[in-house]
Amino acid sequence: NAGVTQTPKFRVLKTGQSMTLLCAQDMNHEYMYWYRQDPGMGLRLIHYSVGEGTTAKGEVPDGYNVSRLKKQNFLLGLESAAPSQTSVYFCASKSSGTGELFFGEGSRLTVL
Amino acid sequence: LAKTTQPISMDSYEGQEVNITCSHNNIATNDYITWYQQFPSQGPRFIIQGYKTKVTNEVASLFIPADRKSSTLSLPRVSLSDTAVYYCLVGGVFGNQGGKLIFGQGTELSVKP
Repeated sequence: NAGVTQTPKFRVLKTGQSMTLLCAQDMNHEYMYWYRQDPGMGLRLIHYSVGEGTTAKGEVPDGYNVSRLKKQNFLLGLESAAPSQTSVYFCASKSSGTGELFFGEGSRLTVL
Repeated sequence: LAKTTQPISMDSYEGQEVNITCSHNNIATNDYITWYQQFPSQGPRFIIQGYKTKVTNEVASLFIPADRKSSTLSLPRVSLSDTAVYYCLVGGVFGNQGGKLIFGQGTELSVKP
């Protein structure tokens, strides 16, 4: 059972470039989340989804877009990357039975 | 949304019991309290969850007073491998509750030999 898988695990971008982070879960969870974590800081919610075709803003949504076209996938997009978006990005899905969050291994993004 | 407040850091020694308290004054009726552990370069992982009174599992205990405005994670006899950041998360759990889940700053626990 793979759980939550994030792709890619590492990426270096130049300012202004775009990219998409993919999160895939195989647990049939309805809820999925994208967080960012800066060095020495806690997790900040970027966007989340309560089901296929739905998305909602979190604490720090500016500069990011998301899509949930399929239940198992939650995509996080950066249209024009900025150095302030250098961070580790974590995806999570939530079990509706227990409420437990399952996290991916993280995607480390550096914007030069 | 319930805001959580925890100590930024704590130090302990191997073999001691560690108690980390989280304040959540505006917890809602449907909210549960869940604690997560995070090691460097890894995603957080579930430790324990509760609604009221006391919950115990193989790794920790969770104490929640009657007014539910705080909770205490208790780690018995910590070891070096318990050095991590611990997060208290308050929110809806089941079904269509608790879409927006906001983490607090977490408590960095350092266990020394």
